[in-house]
Amino acid sequence: NAGVTQTPKFQVLKTGQSMTLQCAQDMNHNSMYWYRQDPGMGLRLIYYSASEGTTDKGEVPNGYNVSRLNKREFSLRLESAAPSQTSVYFCASDRATYNEQFFGPGTRLTVL
Amino acid sequence: GENVEQHPSTLSVQEGDSAVIKCTYSDSASNYFPWYKQELGKRPQLIIDIRSNVGEKKDQRIAVTLNKTAKHFSLHITETQPEDSAVYFCAANQAGTALIFGKGTTLSVSS
Repeated sequence: NAGVTQTPKFQVLKTGQSMTLQCAQDMNHNSMYWYRQDPGMGLRLIYYSASEGTTDKGEVPNGYNVSRLNKREFSLRLESAAPSQTSVYFCASDRATYNEQFFGPGTRLTVL
Repeated sequence: GENVEQHPSTLSVQEGDSAVIKCTYSDSASNYFPWYKQELGKRPQLIIDIRSNVGEKKDQRIAVTLNKTAKHFSLHITETQPEDSAVYFCAANQAGTALIFGKGTTLSVSS
């Protein structure tokens, strides 16, 4: 099993450009999450999907959109990137709340 | 919504000493409290968790204690080793809600 995979691993954007971060899991998990990690700020939840067909805002959703394409895939879109969105982005999944979350390897995004 | 505070933000210990990291949470309905370890450049991984129906849980050199009345829980690492050096995150949630993480503690173990 590959677990949770993310693409790309690294990305540099210019302000105003758009991009989509891809995440997939092969563990048949119901819930999927997108976090951003900034120095000294911990892991902050952007959006999550408790089950296929549902999405909910987390702590810091502004500037982002998500799509739960199917049970395996959960994408994060930046429509117009800003320097404040420079961060490391982690996707995670779990079977349900109260269960271990498995994280992907992360995407390091720089917005110039 | 839930808010999780974690202290200290950095912790330096000598190899063989114990390390304690403390977290407080705001929502009394929270009843699941995991701890994640993130080594430099790697992804976070679960090391131990506790649910509200128990007060303490141990796994070899690590233990977690929970005080629901005071709304705080702690991670204890005994006989620390250099490979324990990492960032540790606590988190909390209740059924049907997403995990909320603390800001993390950078633990440095020197030999």
